[in-house]
Amino acid sequence: KNEVEQSPQNLTAQEGEFITINCSYSVGISALHWLQQHPGGGIVSLFMLSSGKKKHGRLIATINIQEKHSSLHITASHPRDSAVYICAVEGRGSTLGRLYFGRGTQLTVWP
Amino acid sequence: DTAVSQTPKYLVTQMGNDKSIKCEQNLGHDTMYWYKQDSKKFLKIMFSYNNKELIINETVPNRFSPKSPDKAHLNLHINSLELGDSAVYFCASSQRWGTDQPQHFGDGTRLSIL
Repeated sequence: KNEVEQSPQNLTAQEGEFITINCSYSVGISALHWLQQHPGGGIVSLFMLSSGKKKHGRLIATINIQEKHSSLHITASHPRDSAVYICAVEGRGSTLGRLYFGRGTQLTVWP
Repeated sequence: DTAVSQTPKYLVTQMGNDKSIKCEQNLGHDTMYWYKQDSKKFLKIMFSYNNKELIINETVPNRFSPKSPDKAHLNLHINSLELGDSAVYFCASSQRWGTDQPQHFGDGTRLSIL
């Protein structure tokens, strides 16, 4: 079983819809990362958080350390948001600096 | 200017060959990483270097040998390529080792073994 589980695996939405992608993890972490991988293959870091909530434009990331859960929200979704969204957790102690990845959520937003 | 650049972008070669992938970052970061993304798009850490020193060496066959000639470069050499090595390899960097550091990724090198 993977240390990081994401849901859903695939998500289709109409432009303008509110999107939520969930991430659960089973290990102690020092931080959680949300990444975006576009169809061209490049990976971009969206957020890194260890508590609370962060917002960047239409994207919001939250984390609940006690419940070992994070969510990525996209408000007013747009076709250009279509990509794979990957949750990754960073270990602590002897696993500090290691990223453990979820299997990604393929998001498709239709106009 | 590209922050983390990898070359080549595509690499097609025969089984048994030896090949190298180069990575350079111009961000002045101390830490660099190699990741492998398999055919199901699953990413796994392979290696990490901090200030030219190997910090992470996951369970990777010793046919894979990273080399960091300086802080800005982390190359990956692969000997005796096998079919299972077909994947996309990503290089990344972060400002320093440890938590609270976002990682900057290169565009990936798609390796195909014939």
